Formats: sequence, C-alpha cells, structure tokens
Amino acid sequence: DGGITQSPKYLFRKEGQNVTLSCEQNLNHDAMYWYRQDPGQGLRLIYYSQIVNDFQKGDIAEGYSVSREKKESFPLTVTSAQKNPTAFYLCASSPAHRGGTGELFFGEGSRLTVL
Amino acid sequence: EDKVVQSPLSLVVHEGDTVTLNCSYEVTNFRSLLWYKQEKKAPTFLFMLTSSGIEKKSGRLSSILDKKELSSILNITATQTGDSAIYLCAVDTGTASKLTFGTGTRLQVTL
Repeated sequence: DGGITQSPKYLFRKEGQNVTLSCEQNLNHDAMYWYRQDPGQGLRLIYYSQIVNDFQKGDIAEGYSVSREKKESFPLTVTSAQKNPTAFYLCASSPAHRGGTGELFFGEGSRLTVL
Repeated sequence: EDKVVQSPLSLVVHEGDTVTLNCSYEVTNFRSLLWYKQEKKAPTFLFMLTSSGIEKKSGRLSSILDKKELSSILNITATQTGDSAIYLCAVDTGTASKLTFGTGTRLQVTL
C-alpha cells in the first residue's frame, strides 16, 4: 500500500542525546515536511523539502536538522540543542502542485519523550 | 506573520447534535483552505476550499469558505461517536510550499 511510514512510534531519550526520526514515503511525492504537535498549539512546521538535496527551515527549526538524499526519505534529527523536544512529530508529503502545497498526506507520527 | 485561529478549542456534544466549527485566517496570500480530521495520530484530509470552490459536502460533513470574512466553517450534522476527533484547519498561502495550521478544535461526541 502507498503511504508514509514513520519510525519509531515511541522514543525515549535522555537529555543531551541526539535522536533521529525516520520518515519514508512510497507515494512518489516531491515535497516532504516535518511538523511538531504540542497540546493546544496545533501543528508547527520544522523543516520542509521540495526536491532531493534541498530543504528549507520552517517556523521552529532551531535545534533540529534534516537531510534529503533520496526522494523517498526525509529523516529528522532532534539535537541536544532543542530545549523542549518532548512532543509528537508528524511527517507529511505532497505532490507539490505548482504554485501551492495542496493536500498533505501524513504518517502515523513519532512520540518523543525526553527523560 | 500568517495566522490561523480556530474556535472553539474544545466541544462536547450528544450524539445526533449538529455542530459548527470555525476557522478564521489572516495571511498575506491566500490560495486555499484545508480541513483535516485527526482521530488518533495521522490527520486525514477532509476538504479543500478555494476561490473557485467555496462549498464542499461529503455525507454529514460540509464546509463553506467566506473570502470576504476570511473564514470558514465546518458543519457536522447528526453527529456520531466516530466523529470524536481533533479537527484541524490549515491555509495554503501558495508560498514556500507549506501550510499554516490552526490550533485545532477537539470534538467529543457522547452517547
């Protein structure tokens, strides 16, 4: 089945450790996104990529890093510099319609807890 | 700064009731407004509204875009417990290929 796979679903981390969240899609979409969801704050954009080997910062990129070496993959690293990393992370993709985003397709999410 | 505001933040209704969820926006460039339903984890797409398609309907759900008032409503008639979810509104500004989301409305439908 076509879709977006995120892993792991749950992750616990000690303060000071970097962690990498995986996101893979087989929808042949050009654009991929990482959002963070906190209670009462909706979804906030961390990073996005419209094409392989290119990505841009979103609204809350500090303390995060990404790579886009393959069209299917867009991993997110939460670094120790992120001051409040405990959150629910959602990866999404879209066909990146010309001049706009269009509908986003979401993965099941990864819940990160920092101990 | 682009802004999307949803109201109410949460809502509890009885099965069979009709509910109206609100979304207002202030953006520099409007291309479309999208509604998503998030039951547990992954948001799923409901509707996309544009200047050329200001009203959409699917079963018991319908949505209208008011470009003059910079807002949209999502109506759910004859609610069921399966409608319990967070409903997210997002605006596509057509720039930088990203959506700006509202905080969401948490709907709980009780028996």
